[in-house]
Amino acid sequence: QITLKESGPTLVKPTQTLTLTCTFSGFSLSTSGVGVGWIRQPPGKALEWLALIYWNDDKRYSPSLKSRLTITKDTSKNQVVLTMTNMDPVDTATYYCAHRQDDYDILTGYYRYYFDYWGQGTLVTVSS
Amino acid sequence: EIVLTQSPGTLSLSPGERATLSCRASQSVSSSYLAWYQQKPGQAPRLLIYGASSRATGIPDRFSGSGSGTDFTLTISRLEPEDFAVYYCQQYGSSSGFTFGPGTKVDIK
Repeated sequence: QITLKESGPTLVKPTQTLTLTCTFSGFSLSTSGVGVGWIRQPPGKALEWLALIYWNDDKRYSPSLKSRLTITKDTSKNQVVLTMTNMDPVDTATYYCAHRQDDYDILTGYYRYYFDYWGQGTLVTVSS
Repeated sequence: EIVLTQSPGTLSLSPGERATLSCRASQSVSSSYLAWYQQKPGQAPRLLIYGASSRATGIPDRFSGSGSGTDFTLTISRLEPEDFAVYYCQQYGSSSGFTFGPGTKVDIK
């Protein structure tokens, strides 16, 4: 059974750096094809993808936020950490981590891309 | 960067009715890269459809996905009370990563 859970501060001040941890179970980030991503959702708004790290330490970032984000993994602890610098009130959101597994579509010749398991999310408020 | 547009913004229907949700991409997307999620208030999104038309594990067969190129559709054949929620489409681009649409809210008429 795959589970993920986000943890971190609920309140950060503007200009501070946010550090969030995703602790997961039911899979290993050393297994080929596995990835863990971060997605956020401001209150009442849509989902926004932030970053993704793969089993081989390949990292992908949202182009619009790349300069502020760092994603790392600790395979031995089953954790993925996301840091976001220079926080602003517009960064107030629920932050989710989610699991991705390589899934090859033999009909199209492409890998399918989706997040199949999600954490419950953690609300981060940015305010002085 | 590929932009996703979902329509309508809100769909007001009664239980038992058919729901048809649209997701349009600003340029052609491989069907392998298109997914749909359901989100209820206070909950995380739940994967419904991946690869444009494959149902995720445990998803009832009243949910179906179709489409190709720039136009994709999520259909709920007969709405159950638990289906009233917000639905998001998602695509993947090799240079831009994952993109979500703005969502369609299905509420009770």
